[in-house]
Amino acid sequence: SQQGEEDPQALSIQEGENATMNCSYKTSINNLQWYRQNSGRGLVHLILIRSNEREKHSGRLRVTLDTSKKSSSLLITASRAADTASYFCATAETSGSRLTFGEGTQLTVNP
Amino acid sequence: GAGVSQSPSNKVTEKGKDVELRCDPISGHTALYWYRQSLGQGLEFLIYFQGNSAPDKSGLPSDRFSAERTGGSVSTLTIQRTQQEDSAVYLCASSPRARGTSDTQYFGPGTRLTVL
Repeated sequence: SQQGEEDPQALSIQEGENATMNCSYKTSINNLQWYRQNSGRGLVHLILIRSNEREKHSGRLRVTLDTSKKSSSLLITASRAADTASYFCATAETSGSRLTFGEGTQLTVNP
Repeated sequence: GAGVSQSPSNKVTEKGKDVELRCDPISGHTALYWYRQSLGQGLEFLIYFQGNSAPDKSGLPSDRFSAERTGGSVSTLTIQRTQQEDSAVYLCASSPRARGTSDTQYFGPGTRLTVL
């Protein structure tokens, strides 16, 4: 069953704008990871945040985690057309366990 | 270094045939995972291998699905008597899983299976 639920399901923005995607989950977790997928094939790992962390940055990406609300957000700043992809959050209940993925957010960045 | 590789990249088969999908994890990674993604859907966990431990098969959808990992490296996912609902992209991932290393899972490019 899918634990993570992303919202929105689809997001269309102009180049240079910021994109925010949200993810909610149901069970307790060890860590939460965000992945990007282009054209329905391999996933590219973006960032991992552990349950004892609240915020993490990597380049233009900023991830927050609120374990009390069981939610996370991914912010992409100064978006580019190349950021167009599907973005998935995935949770691991224990270290190294299987990942449970959400349905994903389709992001379109218009030039 | 080399990432996770999968073969074949595409497989078209007829209903009722058996198929084998192969995954070569990143060298030294002890954990290996199989997921599948149906059209327009998120990823669904299938099976997980960790070192010499018994695999976690709890995600396999039916007894037509099986997987093995030989020598702690290469893995093969076998689907017997394929059905049309088996059509999906099958993704393999590996992870270091040694103490102090990241829990990040590194994904291969996937095998797109089409059952006619």
